[in-house]
Amino acid sequence: DQQVKQNSPSLSVQEGRISILNCDYTNSMFDYFLWYKKYPAEGPTFLISISSIKDKNEDGRFTVFLNKSAKHLSLHIVPSQPGDSAVYFCAASEGGDSGGGADGLTFGKGTHLIIQP
Amino acid sequence: EPEVTQTPSHQVTQMGQEVILRCVPISNHLYFYWYRQILGQKVEFLVSFYNNEISEKSEIFDDQFSVERPDGSNFTLKIRSTKLEDSAMYFCASSEEGTGELFFGEGSRLTVL
Repeated sequence: DQQVKQNSPSLSVQEGRISILNCDYTNSMFDYFLWYKKYPAEGPTFLISISSIKDKNEDGRFTVFLNKSAKHLSLHIVPSQPGDSAVYFCAASEGGDSGGGADGLTFGKGTHLIIQP
Repeated sequence: EPEVTQTPSHQVTQMGQEVILRCVPISNHLYFYWYRQILGQKVEFLVSFYNNEISEKSEIFDDQFSVERPDGSNFTLKIRSTKLEDSAMYFCASSEEGTGELFFGEGSRLTVL
């Protein structure tokens, strides 16, 4: 039962262009969404998050968009850089961002982003 | 920069043996987690720990698994009797506020033969 789906196992983008990574979810109770980046032999690193009360959150080159009606979110990276090459995981939580909880995250299977020079 | 550290980086064990994976979370963090990633599959939540007790656990976290914070700095995951399917990368994580913005360790690879 995949509650968080990343349907593209890999994505290749030219350096300088925009990378768009997509994620769909099925659990309508999810109210907090996060993107993690993972290099080989390292643990996931938090990138950016968005609460369900927003539809966009921006942090430098990274922007996350949330479409609640479609149960879809996307991560935009612009401009893409060689160091962005990694596996990107979408994750979701029912706990929200209010703190005080310790709900486990549900991860997608990841998308391997390859930035070509 | 503070980081989550895990030991061992790789452990090979025989089926049926007990394994303890150790983690040192970031010192001012209050929420602790174990996740695992079987090769080629997604990262899966195992358990979360707050205020010296388990706050949530997944279906994977059955009676063979236990967690402990024995001394105020270490956070351990014990698997009592390992099975072949326990072979995976186990990630420890911690967070300050339980918001989901987790800091992960580099992982401990467990190989069960």
